[in-house]
Amino acid sequence: EAGVTQSPTHLIKTRGQQATLRCSPISGHTSVYWYQQALGLGLQFLLWYDEGEERNRGNFPPRFSGRQFPNYSSELNVNALELEDSALYLCASSPRRVSGNTIYFGEGSWLTVV
Amino acid sequence: AQSVTQLGSHVSVSEGALVLLRCNYSSSVPPYLFWYVQYPNQGLQLLLKYTTGATLVKGINGFEAEFKKSETSFHLTKPSAHMSDAAEYFCAVSTFQKLVFGTGTRLLVSP
Repeated sequence: EAGVTQSPTHLIKTRGQQATLRCSPISGHTSVYWYQQALGLGLQFLLWYDEGEERNRGNFPPRFSGRQFPNYSSELNVNALELEDSALYLCASSPRRVSGNTIYFGEGSWLTVV
Repeated sequence: AQSVTQLGSHVSVSEGALVLLRCNYSSSVPPYLFWYVQYPNQGLQLLLKYTTGATLVKGINGFEAEFKKSETSFHLTKPSAHMSDAAEYFCAVSTFQKLVFGTGTRLLVSP
Protein backbone atom coordinates (compact mmCIF):
# COMPACT_ATOMS: atom_id res chain seq x y z
CA GLU A 1 0.00 0.00 0.00
CA ALA A 2 1.40 3.37 -0.99
CA GLY A 3 2.06 5.84 1.76
CA VAL A 4 1.57 9.56 1.72
CA THR A 5 3.34 11.00 -1.29
CA GLN A 6 4.48 14.58 -1.70
CA SER A 7 5.86 16.57 -4.60
CA PRO A 8 8.14 18.19 -5.38
CA THR A 9 10.87 16.91 -3.10
CA HIS A 10 12.77 20.17 -3.36
CA LEU A 11 11.70 23.57 -4.57
CA ILE A 12 13.68 26.78 -4.83
CA LYS A 13 11.81 30.04 -5.22
CA THR A 14 12.62 33.71 -5.14
CA ARG A 15 11.20 36.02 -2.51
CA GLY A 16 7.81 37.32 -3.61
CA GLN A 17 7.00 34.35 -5.82
CA GLN A 18 4.36 31.70 -5.20
CA ALA A 19 4.99 28.06 -4.31
CA THR A 20 2.64 25.12 -4.75
CA LEU A 21 3.19 21.85 -2.94
CA ARG A 22 1.19 18.71 -3.58
CA CYS A 23 0.15 15.74 -1.47
CA SER A 24 -1.57 12.44 -2.11
CA PRO A 25 -2.96 10.73 0.99
CA ILE A 26 -3.03 7.05 1.75
CA SER A 27 -5.87 5.33 -0.07
CA GLY A 28 -9.04 5.50 2.00
CA HIS A 29 -7.90 8.47 4.08
CA THR A 30 -10.11 11.53 3.86
CA SER A 31 -8.20 13.89 6.14
CA VAL A 32 -5.07 15.72 5.07
CA TYR A 33 -2.86 17.84 7.31
CA TRP A 34 -0.07 20.23 6.52
CA TYR A 35 2.76 21.03 8.92
CA GLN A 36 5.71 23.38 8.61
CA GLN A 37 9.05 22.36 10.08
CA ALA A 38 11.35 25.33 10.04
CA LEU A 39 14.83 25.23 11.50
CA GLY A 40 14.64 25.70 15.23
CA LEU A 41 10.86 26.09 15.31
CA GLY A 42 9.69 22.49 15.53
CA LEU A 43 6.55 21.20 13.86
CA GLN A 44 3.91 23.85 13.40
CA PHE A 45 0.37 22.93 12.39
CA LEU A 46 -0.72 24.73 9.22
CA LEU A 47 -3.98 23.32 7.89
CA TRP A 48 -6.41 20.43 8.15
CA TYR A 49 -8.68 19.38 5.32
CA ASP A 50 -11.39 16.77 5.45
CA GLU A 51 -13.95 15.86 2.82
CA GLY A 52 -12.88 18.79 0.70
CA GLU A 53 -13.35 21.41 3.40
CA GLU A 54 -10.85 23.35 5.47
CA ARG A 55 -11.58 22.24 9.03
CA ASN A 56 -8.88 23.96 11.04
CA ARG A 57 -6.07 26.40 10.52
CA GLY A 58 -2.93 27.13 12.48
CA ASN A 59 -1.52 30.52 13.32
CA PHE A 60 -0.25 31.40 9.85
CA PRO A 61 -1.02 34.41 7.65
CA PRO A 62 -3.62 34.16 4.86
CA ARG A 63 -0.93 33.88 2.20
CA PHE A 64 -0.72 30.25 3.29
CA SER A 65 -3.69 28.53 1.72
CA GLY A 66 -4.65 25.27 0.17
CA ARG A 67 -7.40 23.02 -0.98
CA GLN A 68 -8.45 19.44 -1.08
CA PHE A 69 -9.66 17.82 -4.27
CA PRO A 70 -12.50 15.30 -4.70
CA ASN A 71 -9.95 12.47 -4.74
CA TYR A 72 -8.73 13.76 -1.32
CA SER A 73 -5.36 14.88 -2.63
CA SER A 74 -4.34 18.33 -1.53
CA GLU A 75 -2.16 21.24 -2.43
CA LEU A 76 -0.61 23.92 -0.31
CA ASN A 77 -0.05 27.35 -1.79
CA VAL A 78 2.25 29.93 -0.32
CA ASN A 79 1.96 33.38 -1.87
CA ALA A 80 4.33 36.31 -1.62
CA LEU A 81 7.13 34.11 -0.38
CA GLU A 82 9.37 35.40 2.38
CA LEU A 83 12.80 34.16 3.35
CA GLU A 84 11.45 32.74 6.61
CA ASP A 85 9.09 30.47 4.66
CA SER A 86 12.09 28.27 3.94
CA ALA A 87 11.26 25.01 5.65
CA LEU A 88 10.31 21.39 5.29
CA TYR A 89 6.59 21.12 4.61
CA LEU A 90 5.11 17.86 5.77
CA CYS A 91 1.81 16.46 4.63
CA ALA A 92 0.01 13.78 6.61
CA SER A 93 -3.21 11.84 6.27
CA SER A 94 -5.60 9.88 8.43
CA PRO A 95 -9.04 8.36 8.25
CA ARG A 96 -11.81 10.83 9.00
CA ARG A 97 -10.56 12.62 12.05
CA VAL A 98 -11.39 10.99 15.33
CA SER A 99 -9.16 11.52 18.30
CA GLY A 100 -6.62 8.74 18.55
CA ASN A 101 -6.37 7.98 14.87
CA THR A 102 -2.82 7.62 13.69
CA ILE A 103 -1.63 10.35 11.35
CA TYR A 104 0.78 9.12 8.69
CA PHE A 105 3.36 11.48 7.27
CA GLY A 106 4.97 11.84 3.90
CA GLU A 107 8.65 12.50 3.30
CA GLY A 108 8.10 16.22 2.96
CA SER A 109 8.84 18.96 0.47
CA TRP A 110 11.82 21.20 1.06
CA LEU A 111 11.08 24.79 0.15
CA THR A 112 13.98 27.18 -0.10
CA VAL A 113 13.29 30.88 -0.60
CA VAL A 114 16.21 32.96 -1.84
CA ALA B 1 -5.49 23.36 25.59
CA GLN B 2 -3.61 20.14 25.16
CA SER B 3 0.18 20.26 24.95
CA VAL B 4 3.31 18.20 25.45
CA THR B 5 6.68 19.12 26.86
CA GLN B 6 9.83 17.26 25.96
CA LEU B 7 12.62 17.63 28.45
CA GLY B 8 16.03 17.94 26.84
CA SER B 9 16.59 19.04 23.28
CA HIS B 10 19.53 16.64 23.03
CA VAL B 11 20.22 13.32 24.71
CA SER B 12 23.52 11.49 24.30
CA VAL B 13 24.01 7.81 25.05
CA SER B 14 26.58 5.17 24.29
CA GLU B 15 25.74 2.24 22.09
CA GLY B 16 24.19 -0.47 24.27
CA ALA B 17 23.06 1.96 26.96
CA LEU B 18 19.51 2.63 28.09
CA VAL B 19 17.61 5.26 26.11
CA LEU B 20 15.18 7.46 28.05
CA LEU B 21 13.40 10.32 26.33
CA ARG B 22 11.04 12.32 28.49
CA CYS B 23 7.60 13.63 27.62
CA ASN B 24 5.01 15.25 29.86
CA TYR B 25 1.55 16.15 28.68
CA SER B 26 -1.17 18.53 29.62
CA SER B 27 -4.72 17.57 28.81
CA SER B 28 -8.14 18.23 30.26
CA VAL B 29 -9.47 14.99 28.83
CA PRO B 30 -7.99 11.50 28.61
CA PRO B 31 -5.17 11.97 26.16
CA TYR B 32 -4.15 10.10 23.08
CA LEU B 33 -0.36 10.15 22.96
CA PHE B 34 2.14 9.38 20.24
CA TRP B 35 5.85 9.08 19.68
CA TYR B 36 7.24 9.71 16.21
CA VAL B 37 10.81 9.44 14.95
CA GLN B 38 12.40 11.52 12.21
CA TYR B 39 15.59 10.33 10.58
CA PRO B 40 17.74 12.91 8.80
CA ASN B 41 16.08 14.38 5.73
CA GLN B 42 13.01 12.22 6.10
CA GLY B 43 9.41 12.55 7.23
CA LEU B 44 8.01 11.35 10.53
CA GLN B 45 7.47 7.68 11.29
CA LEU B 46 5.15 6.43 14.02
CA LEU B 47 6.96 4.57 16.78
CA LEU B 48 4.02 3.88 19.05
CA LYS B 49 0.80 5.31 20.40
CA TYR B 50 -1.36 5.18 23.49
CA THR B 51 -5.11 5.42 23.21
CA THR B 52 -6.76 3.37 25.93
CA GLY B 53 -6.11 0.12 27.76
CA ALA B 54 -2.67 -1.14 28.69
CA THR B 55 -0.45 1.64 29.95
CA LEU B 56 2.77 0.04 28.70
CA VAL B 57 2.87 0.40 24.96
CA LYS B 58 5.34 -1.45 22.77
CA GLY B 59 6.41 0.03 19.49
CA ILE B 60 8.74 -0.65 16.62
CA ASN B 61 12.51 -1.03 16.81
CA GLY B 62 12.42 -2.16 20.45
CA PHE B 63 11.00 1.07 21.83
CA GLU B 64 8.29 1.23 24.45
CA ALA B 65 6.54 3.91 26.47
CA GLU B 66 4.55 3.92 29.66
CA PHE B 67 1.52 6.12 30.20
CA LYS B 68 1.50 7.39 33.81
CA LYS B 69 -1.60 9.43 34.53
CA SER B 70 -0.47 10.37 38.04
CA GLU B 71 2.73 11.88 36.64
CA THR B 72 1.18 13.11 33.36
CA SER B 73 4.08 11.45 31.60
CA PHE B 74 4.66 9.30 28.55
CA HIS B 75 8.40 8.65 28.53
CA LEU B 76 10.00 6.65 25.71
CA THR B 77 12.56 3.96 26.52
CA LYS B 78 14.73 1.38 24.84
CA PRO B 79 16.90 -1.00 26.86
CA SER B 80 19.90 -0.93 24.54
CA ALA B 81 20.70 1.85 22.10
CA HIS B 82 21.90 1.12 18.59
CA MET B 83 23.74 3.47 16.29
CA SER B 84 20.76 3.40 13.96
CA ASP B 85 18.58 4.95 16.68
CA ALA B 86 20.25 8.31 16.17
CA ALA B 87 17.41 10.57 15.07
CA GLU B 88 15.00 13.18 16.34
CA TYR B 89 12.08 12.02 18.42
CA PHE B 90 8.79 13.82 18.81
CA CYS B 91 6.11 13.31 21.41
CA ALA B 92 2.61 14.38 20.42
CA VAL B 93 -0.87 14.64 21.86
CA SER B 94 -3.98 14.25 19.77
CA THR B 95 -6.82 16.70 19.85
CA PHE B 96 -9.94 16.29 17.79
CA GLN B 97 -8.62 18.49 15.08
CA LYS B 98 -4.87 18.06 15.00
CA LEU B 99 -1.76 16.54 16.46
CA VAL B 100 0.19 18.86 18.76
CA PHE B 101 3.91 18.12 18.86
CA GLY B 102 6.59 18.72 21.39
CA THR B 103 9.76 20.51 20.38
CA GLY B 104 11.62 17.26 19.77
CA THR B 105 14.63 15.52 21.31
CA ARG B 106 17.65 14.70 19.23
CA LEU B 107 19.18 11.37 20.26
CA LEU B 108 22.90 11.03 19.72
CA VAL B 109 24.45 7.57 19.96
CA SER B 110 28.19 7.18 20.31
CA PRO B 111 30.16 3.97 19.74
